[in-house]
Amino acid sequence: QQQVKQSPQSLIVQKGGISIINCAYENTAFDYFPWYQQFPGKGPALLIAIRPDVSEKKEGRFTISFNKSAKQFSLHIMDSQPGDSATYFCAASRGSSNTGKLIFGQGTTLQVKP
Amino acid sequence: DVKVTQSSRYLVKRTGEKVFLECVQDMDHENMFWYRQDPGLGLRLIYFSYDVKMKEKGDIPEGYSVSREKKERFSLILESASTNQTSMYLCASSLSGATYGYTFGSGTRLTVV
Repeated sequence: QQQVKQSPQSLIVQKGGISIINCAYENTAFDYFPWYQQFPGKGPALLIAIRPDVSEKKEGRFTISFNKSAKQFSLHIMDSQPGDSATYFCAASRGSSNTGKLIFGQGTTLQVKP
Repeated sequence: DVKVTQSSRYLVKRTGEKVFLECVQDMDHENMFWYRQDPGLGLRLIYFSYDVKMKEKGDIPEGYSVSREKKERFSLILESASTNQTSMYLCASSLSGATYGYTFGSGTRLTVV
């Protein structure tokens, strides 16, 4: 079975700190790696995504780092804020597939303490 | 504002009942998906559809079926609800192609008693 493994399951960070969430995948055919953010009572929303032709992508305080040889990618949240408290999911898919089927990680619940 | 709307926010059903979860999107998206969300297990794909009347099984289709008679509507059916189907159910839609982000609904919290 194709899998995406995410860690840690939960994370507590002080305001202003760096939050780091890691994911590992098995299927080398995966070529699209998005991160989703979910607030309580809401569905997940696309946060940032990366293709394996780059090793890093940054959008504001959010950065994806990608290591193709290790089959790992991670989300870094710089200057973490209480408003970043949410559940984060990594995912992977074959971008060339028209069905767009995403395989999600197990999720990380982030709490940023004021 | 583009939307994926799930018909019920909370639902309580009895074991053995046939349950219908409805999802409607207004974005003219080709792809629609049903996931269930359980703590520690993430989002697991139940079924997806890439066109009207087309459907494919996901990773955990057992006990479920789907219907897509119109492009904007994708229904998840629990043929005979069981307690292990108590979960949060999320519907999503996307344009054709994996590099377009999903738009999720707010979810239906189903409790089977």
